[in-house]
Amino acid sequence: EIVLTQSPATLSLSPGERATLSCRASQSVSSYLTWYQQKPGQAPRLLIYDASNRATGIPARFSGSGSGTDFTLTISSLEPEDFAVYYCQQRATWPDTFGQGTKLEMK
Amino acid sequence: EVQLVQSGAEVKKSGESLKISCKGSGFSFTSHWIAWVRQMPGKGLEWMGVISLSDSGTKYNPSFQGQVAISVDKSISTAYLQWSSLEASDTAMYFCVRPGAHVYGEYSWGQGTLVTVSS
Repeated sequence: EIVLTQSPATLSLSPGERATLSCRASQSVSSYLTWYQQKPGQAPRLLIYDASNRATGIPARFSGSGSGTDFTLTISSLEPEDFAVYYCQQRATWPDTFGQGTKLEMK
Repeated sequence: EVQLVQSGAEVKKSGESLKISCKGSGFSFTSHWIAWVRQMPGKGLEWMGVISLSDSGTKYNPSFQGQVAISVDKSISTAYLQWSSLEASDTAMYFCVRPGAHVYGEYSWGQGTLVTVSS
């Protein structure tokens, strides 16, 4: 199965700063890469699908880029509600797999 | 709008059986598939298996093969995840997931069902 490695494991930033999260795949997933935000006790919230498409209702400060094996989620200016855990997921090859997550914490 | 509504939290004892549900609306229920995802306490997300909503065929992640069973009742637009004999290690949040109604990659998720198994 495809292994997704997210970095960093934890990112400490302040509101208003720019966040850059990385997801690297063990083999090409083309553009079949999804990003989620998850807060405690909640289901994952879909942010970006197919590498760069913002999901319905997602603010423009969230953007995704990349293809093949290297992907990036960028939050241009952090809001207090953005501090959460972020996961990437690939759907290129069965089974879908997830990265281990990046915890975005407030500095 | 695709909606997946899951059954409520369960508290069980080791050895007991359990079936949790995921009811879909807002889409053609017989299109595509529904998958189940496990999240153990404080851990990440794991893709357990999937059921085709057209022919009810199932496919399991090898890690979960033989441990759970996925089924569907198309007459009531509901998918199920079932255990015949729970273990304490089954304690987790379980989510159902399916592709978007208009854009395949825009997955929709249920709200989750917390399963707690005591020994």
